[in-house]
Amino acid sequence: DAKTTQPPSMDCAEGRAANLPCNHSTISGNEYVYWYRQIHSQGPQYIIHGLKNNETNEMASLIITEDRKSSTLILPHATLRDTAVYYCIVANFGNEKLTFGTGTRLTIIP
Amino acid sequence: GAVVSQHPSRVICKSGTSVKIECRSLDFQATTMFWYRQFPKQSLMLMATSNEGSKATYEQGVEKDKFLINHASLTLSTLTVTSAHPEDSSFYICSARERGFWEGETQYFGPGTRLLVL
Repeated sequence: DAKTTQPPSMDCAEGRAANLPCNHSTISGNEYVYWYRQIHSQGPQYIIHGLKNNETNEMASLIITEDRKSSTLILPHATLRDTAVYYCIVANFGNEKLTFGTGTRLTIIP
Repeated sequence: GAVVSQHPSRVICKSGTSVKIECRSLDFQATTMFWYRQFPKQSLMLMATSNEGSKATYEQGVEKDKFLINHASLTLSTLTVTSAHPEDSSFYICSARERGFWEGETQYFGPGTRLLVL
């Protein structure tokens, strides 16, 4: 699976959009981009995933660059409850293993 | 999203005893479940892949005789930590892949089980 690179930490003001970047320059054609988050002492929570098109759901938006070498997770109106470690994971279609990196620790500031 | 539960949420045991952790998919069938371990301030590490009706596949460095996995039904997988020692103290998390969901299949995670071995 392709490796991802994320900034170790970010701060965002409450109510503002949180934009979390992820680089995955070695991504291959059949690999999806998944985003999960882990709030302290809980299991990871699925957020969103995509292949090449931008995706949006009730939690977030996922913007994938045209060359698919990077992506951005957008939380449109961050709240204090969005404080968590966010993981960007690239996984093959049909490959069930998710390899977690160190993620980005997002802190929402009141 | 789909719901995955774990039981117990936390357990304290004496060194040398065995501990069983259950992982259940509550509203979907899961042919495949995964077991992860997470030490403090570290990321999740995959331990093994649990397949319904067959033997689990363990990641390199994970002792299969110490971490027994059973996936007897489409909604239940169990992890038994045998002869637990203090170094086995960790946060154990399971996940389940929804059966038949092929279009970018998604894993859903349980809330985790915190094990403390004294």
